[in-house]
Order: sequence, then structure tokens, then C-alpha cells
Amino acid sequence: EDQVTQSPEALRLQEGESSSLNCSYTVSGLRGLFWYRQDPGKGPEFLFTLYSAGEEKEKERLKATLTKKESFLHITAPKPEDSATYLCAGVYSGAGSYQLTFGKGTKLSVIP
Amino acid sequence: DSGVTQTPKHLITATGQRVTLRCSPRSGDLSVYWYQQSLDQGLQFLIQYYNGEERAKGNILERFSAQQFPDLHSELNLSSLELGDSALYFCASSVWGNTEAFFGQGTRLTVV
Repeated sequence: EDQVTQSPEALRLQEGESSSLNCSYTVSGLRGLFWYRQDPGKGPEFLFTLYSAGEEKEKERLKATLTKKESFLHITAPKPEDSATYLCAGVYSGAGSYQLTFGKGTKLSVIP
Repeated sequence: DSGVTQTPKHLITATGQRVTLRCSPRSGDLSVYWYQQSLDQGLQFLIQYYNGEERAKGNILERFSAQQFPDLHSELNLSSLELGDSALYFCASSVWGNTEAFFGQGTRLTVV
């Protein structure tokens, strides 16, 4: 069973059309949740860290929120340069260590 | 620039060969992760080190091994290479396991 599940797999938006990406996670053992942006052939770029339900973080047109079961990445009035794959990752503790587990990502395309 | 350096950027080698990928973490980061990303696939966790010690293992093949040295740089060794090992290999570092991880730009390995 996947610990982190993202939906939708792909999303096409018109420029300026706001939307949200979803990340569902296994609650047991979760110690933090991260959002990343990945451009093709590049390393994931860190966006946000969320630790507690109710927490929100914002950066430009992006806002990440965390509930007890899910996290959302809200994109307001997106621009073509926001096109990328957005990855959600959960940090899980166990056996004296932490493991960072990624979802499969949502590929966002913003059409001019 | 995330501060994580991976070398080489590209590597082309033949089946059956052995290669070594290198990662220098961000200054002050003690934890290093290795991930594999095949074409259009998600990030697969391979292995994690913390301050020189192995802390977590994912689906890492027996043909693959890694280590973290006293200066905290890490190497991932891939041996008896097969065509299916062709992928992007990413290194990430963090201060500790439940803090945000920063990724390098990856090594693109092509096995021919």
C-alpha cells in the first residue's frame, strides 16, 4: 500500500485558471510533509514543509495546506512557467530512522 | 542552486560494467539519500545515510551499494549493469531525517 498518493496524475489549466492538487497520506508514523516541484530532467526543487494539521505556507502563486488526512497545493492564477510535475513527500519514522517517501506526482500543464 | 553537487552529470556505459556516482551534500547536512528515477516513473528510494552510518534501505538491488565518508560525501556504486538500470539517479541531503531534503541535479546513467 502506497503511503503517499497524489491526484490527479495530470492536470491541464488555462492561464489564470486556479486549481488544487491533492496529496493523501498514511497518517501512522508521519513526521512531516513536503512539496517539491520538478522540471523535466532536473532535480526536485523544495517548495514547502508542513508539520501540523491546519498549517499553511505560501509562496507567490502557490499555497500548501495540511489536514489530518490530506495536503493540498493550491495554484492561484497560474502562468505557463508554473508547468512542471509537483511532488508530495511524507517523512515517516521507524526503527530509529526517517524515510522520505514520494508520491508519483501531478504533471501540471498551463496553457497560454 | 540547492547546494548539493552530483558528479558526473551524464554517464554512458556498457552492460556488465561498474560505475560510481558521487554526491557532496549541502554544508552542515548530515543525512544523505539516494533515489532512482526511471523514464516517466516516480522517485524510488534506494538508501539513506546519516553521519556515516546506513539508516534506511529501500528497494536497492544487491548489485548496488553505497557509503558515506567521514567528510560526509557519499558514493553510490552500481555493478553488473543492465539495460534496465538506465535512469536518473538523485542524491538529496538534509540536516536530519525529518527536515526538508534538498536535491542535486542528478546523474543520468545510460547503459548500452
